[in-house]
Amino acid sequence: NAGVTQTPKFQVLKTGQSMTLQCAQDMNHEYMSWYRQDPGMGLRLIHYSVGAGITDQGEVPNGYNVSRSTTEDFPLRLLSAAPSQTSVYFCASSSRGHTSTDTQYFGPGTRLTVL
Amino acid sequence: AQSVTQLDSQVPVFEEAPVELRCNYSSSVSVYLFWYVQYPNQGLQLLLKYLSGSTLVKGINGFEAEFNKSQTSFHLRKPSVHISDTAEYFCAVRSGGYQKVTFGTGTKLQVIP
Repeated sequence: NAGVTQTPKFQVLKTGQSMTLQCAQDMNHEYMSWYRQDPGMGLRLIHYSVGAGITDQGEVPNGYNVSRSTTEDFPLRLLSAAPSQTSVYFCASSSRGHTSTDTQYFGPGTRLTVL
Repeated sequence: AQSVTQLDSQVPVFEEAPVELRCNYSSSVSVYLFWYVQYPNQGLQLLLKYLSGSTLVKGINGFEAEFNKSQTSFHLRKPSVHISDTAEYFCAVRSGGYQKVTFGTGTKLQVIP
């Protein structure tokens, strides 16, 4: 298994440009989520999905859109990039257990710079 | 609401010395607690987790953590660190539904040869 994969690894955008960060998992996990990591702030949840066709907002959703058309893929879209979105983005997935105790598996991250 | 506090942003320690990374949490309901490690330019990897049962949890790479409900703490320990343990460590708490995962701000462990 490749686990959780993310592309690209690095990206530089100009203010106002749009782009999509890709995330895929091959573990048949139902839960997927996007976090951003900023210095001194830990990881903050942007959006998450509990299954294909179902998404919801996390702690910092503004400026980002998501969709979940398949179990495997969970892309994150920036419609109009802003310098405040400069960050490292992590995708994570986990299986669905009735006790809600499943482990999250993280991708390697995408380092985004918005000029 | 839940929160996680990692008081130490950086912890330098000599190789083969013991280390403790502190984590305190607050939550009004029962919690699940996690420690993750992040090596440079990599994603997060689960070290250990407390779900229920024994308050002493053993994880990978010789790390362990103790859940203390009265002090709302979940400190991470290792009796003898190695250079390869140099990384950033994150404490996380989950209560309620899946989406309610809160991470601490991280502690950078620097092992000095």
